[in-house]
Amino acid sequence: GAVVSQHPSWVICKSGTSVKIECRSLDFQATTMFWYRQFPKQSLMLMATSNEGSKATYEQGVEKDKFLINHASLTLSTLTVTSAHPEDSSFYICSARHESYEQYFGPGTRLTVT
Amino acid sequence: AQSVTQLDSQVPVFEEAPVELRCNYSSSVSVYLFWYVQYPNQGLQLLLKYLSGSTLVKGINGFEAEFNKSQTSFHLRKPSVHISDTAEYFCAVLTGANNLFFGTGTRLTVIP
Repeated sequence: GAVVSQHPSWVICKSGTSVKIECRSLDFQATTMFWYRQFPKQSLMLMATSNEGSKATYEQGVEKDKFLINHASLTLSTLTVTSAHPEDSSFYICSARHESYEQYFGPGTRLTVT
Repeated sequence: AQSVTQLDSQVPVFEEAPVELRCNYSSSVSVYLFWYVQYPNQGLQLLLKYLSGSTLVKGINGFEAEFNKSQTSFHLRKPSVHISDTAEYFCAVLTGANNLFFGTGTRLTVIP
């Protein structure tokens, strides 16, 4: 089946620094990638939809200047958390749409901001 | 607008017993429904999906779900659970914007 990877799997950073998370579709081309955020024991909340070659579409309440998304190619999307604060600590999951409606999810990245 | 409701936040069940995880949906358009499983500190894995056709959908790991339009439900079932089935299960519906909207999740705990 289609495989999506994320890097890093976990990261600890200091408050005020920026962190970049990569999402790659390994064996298929994904015109659309999605970024989700998951708090402990809660569901996934869609942050933004990323289309290759165009600006990302952010969900209501998500700061686009804080969560920078770049979908530079059909196999790579990046999420950069700028000026991270402890409240940004969370589990970030990406997914890539393969064909029709099916999304394939990455393993997630756990971000801890100290 | 589409939404899903998972009424049970936690479901404990003994090993080899049957289990049903409930999911109800609301939608004003054609319904595409999904069940995903999430193991600790991992991403989501698709268990099964309903797009059209037969209302009984079989998925991986012995799971199945039945789409019931009159009851607006898409409950997940397994006749005999294993310890390895302990995980978080999410029901999701495809929205009109072609995004997935997830339910709040059900924690299945299989007791030896």
